Amino acid sequence: NAGVMQNPRHLVRRRGQEARLRCSPVKGHSHVYWYRQLPEEGLKFMVYLQKENIIDESGMPKERFSAEFPKEGPSILRIQQVVRGDSAAYFCASSPGLLSYNEQFFGPGTRLTVL
Amino acid sequence: GQQLNQSPQSMFIQEGEDVSMNCTSSSIFNTWLWYKQEPGEGPVLLIALYKAGELTSNGRLTAQFGITRKDSFLNISASIPSDVGIYFCAGRETSGSRLTFGEGTQLTVNP
Repeated sequence: NAGVMQNPRHLVRRRGQEARLRCSPVKGHSHVYWYRQLPEEGLKFMVYLQKENIIDESGMPKERFSAEFPKEGPSILRIQQVVRGDSAAYFCASSPGLLSYNEQFFGPGTRLTVL
Repeated sequence: GQQLNQSPQSMFIQEGEDVSMNCTSSSIFNTWLWYKQEPGEGPVLLIALYKAGELTSNGRLTAQFGITRKDSFLNISASIPSDVGIYFCAGRETSGSRLTFGEGTQLTVNP
């Protein structure tokens, strides 16, 4: 069974460009979470999505950031007009559902560098 | 929002020694999780705890869910070089909701 897949693993963008990060959850998992990790810090929650729905986006910056999880295809985290402060590792996690024992499994992350 | 205080921030130990780290929270969690992260990779789940007072082992790792539901600890016995990494605690308020992570404990094991 394939785990959570993220691509690209590394992404370099210049200030003002757009970054698109993709996440394919574990097969059969319908819940996706995005987290951001700055160097030497813990992961910070950004957004929680189910298929075609945003459930909780309270951790997402109000501007420039958006996320989707369409009926078909991977989840996408989109950052418009990137700034240097967006440089971080972005992790996606998936879980099969809402039961107590349905834990989140993480992908390898996308490391975004903004020049 | 919730805050998790994880300590210590870093540990330097000799192979064979036991290790202990802990997390405390400003609010109650229904689930405590411990993850390990190695350089360039995502966190890997080590242990999940679901009930106050629960003590769970996974090989040389043992974790406990504090009875106040505001704290948890992780012990690693007889450490080996491959234990090197960053260990994170994480708490969850309800099923399916976000995880709140501690700041991590960087573990270095000297052979």
